[in-house]
Amino acid sequence: AQTVTQSQPEMSVQEAETVTLSCTYDTSENNYYLFWYKQPPSRQMILVIRQEAYKQQNATENRFSVNFQKAAKSFSLKISDSQLGDTAMYFCAFMKPAQGGSEKLVFGKGTKLTVNP
Amino acid sequence: EAGVAQSPRYKIIEKRQSVAFWCNPISGHATLYWYQQILGQGPKLLIQFQNNGVVDDSQLPKDRFSAERLKGVDSTLKIQPAKLEDSAVYLCASSINHGTRNEQFFGPGTRLTVL
Repeated sequence: AQTVTQSQPEMSVQEAETVTLSCTYDTSENNYYLFWYKQPPSRQMILVIRQEAYKQQNATENRFSVNFQKAAKSFSLKISDSQLGDTAMYFCAFMKPAQGGSEKLVFGKGTKLTVNP
Repeated sequence: EAGVAQSPRYKIIEKRQSVAFWCNPISGHATLYWYQQILGQGPKLLIQFQNNGVVDDSQLPKDRFSAERLKGVDSTLKIQPAKLEDSAVYLCASSINHGTRNEQFFGPGTRLTVL
C-alpha cells in the first residue's frame, strides 16, 4: 500500500518570503500522480498543483512550484512571495492510475502553514 | 459552474444516534467520493462511486456506515449508530471521469460531533 509522509506538522513564514513544504511517499509503482491540496481554515479543499511521475520537468503554477525527485520519492512544494491568503493546511497526496474509475487519493497528515504579516 | 454541495454543514449528536449527510456533486461528474477527515489528519477515503455503482468501499466500516448514490447523482452517507470516534469532518468530492487528469473537487464538508 502507498503511504505519504509530511514531516512538518506546522510551519510559518513572513509575508513575501519563500517557504518549502516537504513530502515523501512510498510506492513500488512507476507511473503515478502527486498532488498538493490547500485547505484554508473553515473552507473547502482546493487543488494547488499536480505532477505526473513520468514527467521529468517540475510542475509550476504561478507562485507555486514543486521539486519532484522520483528516485528519492520526494515531492516538496515551494511557495514564493508568500501571501496572507496562503495560510492554510497543505496536504500532499498520491494517486495510482487504475482501470474502471478506481483511482483513489492517499493523503499525508498535512502541514499547517501560517503566513505572518 | 456550481461546486460540490454538502449539507448539513454542522451536526451534533449523542452516541448511538443516527445521522445522515447529503452530497450533490458537480453536474456531469461521474465519480463521487466520501472521505473522513479526523482532526489533525488527512482525509481518508470511505467509499467511491462510479455513477451509481460502488468502486471501492474497502475502508468503510460497514457495520455502522452505509452510503448510496441513487440515479448516479446525489449521494447520502449514513452512520447508525454513531460512536465517539466518528467525530470528524466528512468530505464529499467528485471528478468528471477516471482519466489520467483526474482532479477531484471537494465540497465544504460536514463537521460531525458525537457526544
